[in-house]
Amino acid sequence: DTAVSQTPKYLVTQMGNDKSIKCEQNLGHDTMYWYKQDSKKFLKIMFSYNNKELIINETVPNRFSPKSPDKAHLNLHINSLELGDSAVYFCASSQAGIGEKLFFGSGTQLSVL
Amino acid sequence: DQQVKQNSPSLSVQEGRISILNCDYTNSMFDYFLWYKKYPAEGPTFLISISSIKDKNEDGRFTVFLNKSAKHLSLHIVPSQPGDSAVYFCAAATSGTNAGKSTFGDGTTLTVKP
Repeated sequence: DTAVSQTPKYLVTQMGNDKSIKCEQNLGHDTMYWYKQDSKKFLKIMFSYNNKELIINETVPNRFSPKSPDKAHLNLHINSLELGDSAVYFCASSQAGIGEKLFFGSGTQLSVL
Repeated sequence: DQQVKQNSPSLSVQEGRISILNCDYTNSMFDYFLWYKKYPAEGPTFLISISSIKDKNEDGRFTVFLNKSAKHLSLHIVPSQPGDSAVYFCAAATSGTNAGKSTFGDGTTLTVKP
């Protein structure tokens, strides 16, 4: 029973297209995140939502728009895809408290051609 | 400005030996540190953590050591097993802040040879 699941696992698309990645967690956590792992392997926070409210919005182009219909779901929509958007995108969740640890999904490999 | 660095991109050890993975940080506001393990085509999974009030935390074969004065932490795996082969990420955080404010290193790929 997957704790944090994201779909699709692979996404290959053309420049200029719009695509979405979905994420769901069944851990009952209050906070969800989107991370981007670039070619240099760094994991960088993009967005964080707490109980459907946006609380972290790092320097991300506004072509990226997260949407949280409820606290168990956080989707990522990307408009007008560019070559530089190619990366692995990870969804994660955590429960607020001392020593928060992140629970990650298995990632979505996005390739923009 | 890379606040968390893992200077060894890769490490290879023999099964049964000790693996030592290192991590350095620059921000003195960090007071909580975590290690994550990542297998190919999977997301990172939490491994072990340590608060700055401690200098050592142990969980089975995994021990994390923290040297605050040197702003350095290390993960020891003893004995190493082939199943430990993965990418290990160090992360640093300031307690009381959102976990999304954690800063990750760029990982060390550990290969444990049978």
